[in-house]
Amino acid sequence: DVKVTQSSRYLVKRTGEKVFLECVQDMDHENMFWYRQDPGLGLRLIYFSYDVKMKEKGDIPEGYSVSREKKERFSLILESASTNQTSMYLCASSSHGWSEKLFFGSGTQLSVL
Amino acid sequence: AQSVAQPEDQVNVAEGNPLTVKCTYSVSGNPYLFWYVQYPNRGLQFLLKYITGDNLVKGSYGFEAEFNKSQTSFHLKKPSALVSDSALYFCALIKAAGNKLTFGGGTRVLVKP
Repeated sequence: DVKVTQSSRYLVKRTGEKVFLECVQDMDHENMFWYRQDPGLGLRLIYFSYDVKMKEKGDIPEGYSVSREKKERFSLILESASTNQTSMYLCASSSHGWSEKLFFGSGTQLSVL
Repeated sequence: AQSVAQPEDQVNVAEGNPLTVKCTYSVSGNPYLFWYVQYPNRGLQFLLKYITGDNLVKGSYGFEAEFNKSQTSFHLKKPSALVSDSALYFCALIKAAGNKLTFGGGTRVLVKP
């Protein structure tokens, strides 16, 4: 089975801190994604990557950056955390081709105080 | 722009009764449509997808969905609901030849014994 692992299940940070969320997949997938999930808003795409060192902005990239130095790892960075970034963050991966299904990690619930 | 609407925040159904979760979409061009399910404290899991061909798509756990181009809908159905089907369901859309998957706001399903 494909496994997408997110480093933390729960995370509490203070306003202004730099936050790193890590995601690793073990199926050699080309595509990786970061979404945030908020009640009533569904999932919104923050950034995605279709190859190593490649990244593209999603629908809500402001306040975030990403890094993909290795194929299996995709990191989300909050440069200066703010309270409105309190959310559930979901990482996903898929094989090449945009009609392929996504495999999701279990999520990181981030609280910014 | 593309969008997905799930008009019901919550659907309540008795165990053994038919279950329907509604989804409508808006996109220019041909859509690829997906359903995902999220069980408590878990990441999203793929249920089924429509790419092309037969309008009735069968997926995991006895679920199926019908693509209706004229009504721009992709409703999820199960003939006989189980208590274990209680979860959060997301409809998602990507435009053929596009590269961004857009999710609906989600519908919570509660199946009562």
